[in-house]
Amino acid sequence: DAGVTQTPRHEVAEKGQTIILKCEPVSGHNDLFWYRQTKIQGLELLSYFRSKSLMEDGGAFKDRFKAEMLNSSFSTLKIQPTEPKDSAVYLCASSLDEQYFGPGTRLTVL
Amino acid sequence: GDSVTQTEGPVTVSESESLIINCTYSATSIAYPNLFWYVRYPGEGLQLLLKVITAGQKGSSRGFEATYNKETTSFHLQKASVQESDSAVYYCALRNNYAQGLTFGLGTRVSVFP
Repeated sequence: DAGVTQTPRHEVAEKGQTIILKCEPVSGHNDLFWYRQTKIQGLELLSYFRSKSLMEDGGAFKDRFKAEMLNSSFSTLKIQPTEPKDSAVYLCASSLDEQYFGPGTRLTVL
Repeated sequence: GDSVTQTEGPVTVSESESLIINCTYSATSIAYPNLFWYVRYPGEGLQLLLKVITAGQKGSSRGFEATYNKETTSFHLQKASVQESDSAVYYCALRNNYAQGLTFGLGTRVSVFP
């Protein structure tokens, strides 16, 4: 079975740009999560979908971060506009019970 | 909010020695959250190592064990004899219920030397 797929694996953006990160969950999983990982804050939940419905949208990240799930097999995370403090690894996970994580997208904002 | 605190790394151990990574948690909205240990091996993604959903129970996997202690709100990870292949970053995490995201500790980097 294919695991969680994330693209791109690396992204470099200029401050103020719009970037879109993509995630394909494990087939059949109902839940999808977006996390951000930094050395200081660790892993923080950004968004959570259940059966394509947005269930949780991390308060601190609402301003410039928008996650969408247009169908059960694809989700995007848009950051607009990007800021240098957004530099982090963005992880997508899907689950029926336990969460399975993708390899992550390393974002660098200059 | 919920929080997880774990041993600050890096931790360095010799092969065949014992390892313990401390983890304590605070869950504000539920008395007995589900508890997890995740691991990231070099070059690989984050993966589940073990989980315990019932207070008082013990979980085990790949020679690692962790016991859910509700009195001390702890979930320490232990292994009696580590191998070089156990070198990784270990994360303790909790979940309020099956429908919500995980709250993670900052991770503990473990290096095992021959």
